[in-house]
Amino acid sequence: EVQLVESGGGLVQPGGSLRLSCAASGFTFSAYWMTWVRQAPGKGLEWVANINPSGSEKYYADSVKGRFTISRDNAKSSLYLQMNSLSGEDTAVFYCARAKLPAAKYNWFDPWGQGILVTVSS
Amino acid sequence: DMQMTQSPSSLSASVGDRVTITCRASQNIDTYLAWYQQKPGKAPNVLIYDASTLESGVPSRFSGSGSGTEFTLTIGSLQPDDFGTYYCQQYNTYSPTFGQGTKLEIK
Repeated sequence: EVQLVESGGGLVQPGGSLRLSCAASGFTFSAYWMTWVRQAPGKGLEWVANINPSGSEKYYADSVKGRFTISRDNAKSSLYLQMNSLSGEDTAVFYCARAKLPAAKYNWFDPWGQGILVTVSS
Repeated sequence: DMQMTQSPSSLSASVGDRVTITCRASQNIDTYLAWYQQKPGKAPNVLIYDASTLESGVPSRFSGSGSGTEFTLTIGSLQPDDFGTYYCQQYNTYSPTFGQGTKLEIK
């Protein structure tokens, strides 16, 4: 079964840091572009960052550029999101998601993880 | 930046109704568009990709159409399980963008 499971969320103070992880199973992780998408409480979906299969190509939304870093470890079938300088505007459920087709840079997302809540508050 | 605009932002319809949701792109995206359904507390699920291709396992009452900048998602005969929020997403660029969502309520 293809599965993505996020971890590492929780409560963090403004200005703090947090590292999210996404464990993948059931498919050849190293063959796919991977993405982080977030959803603030009661709001819509916002793309955060994506990374190519080898980890050499990365893109970020303007809202997180310079603060967040996406990375991956293909040997561990894991995706990461290092988040620094967090503010209340970063409070959201964070989803990891896979491109539907292998090696496809421009693609829709399927599957998605169950999501992990990050709360930035003092 | 590519903007995706959905309408309406919410709607209420009865079982059996035909429902249409529109998504407009600020630039030409050919047919690089997907539609998702999201239930409360759950991750989105893809319904349609490439603007009009039905994802495997998705009921045939869902259909998509359009190309360029104007797209529609149609639910042919609304069922009770179709409540939720629907999002369009363009994947024509390295920075995919979502519409703001359409919340569908069953009367």
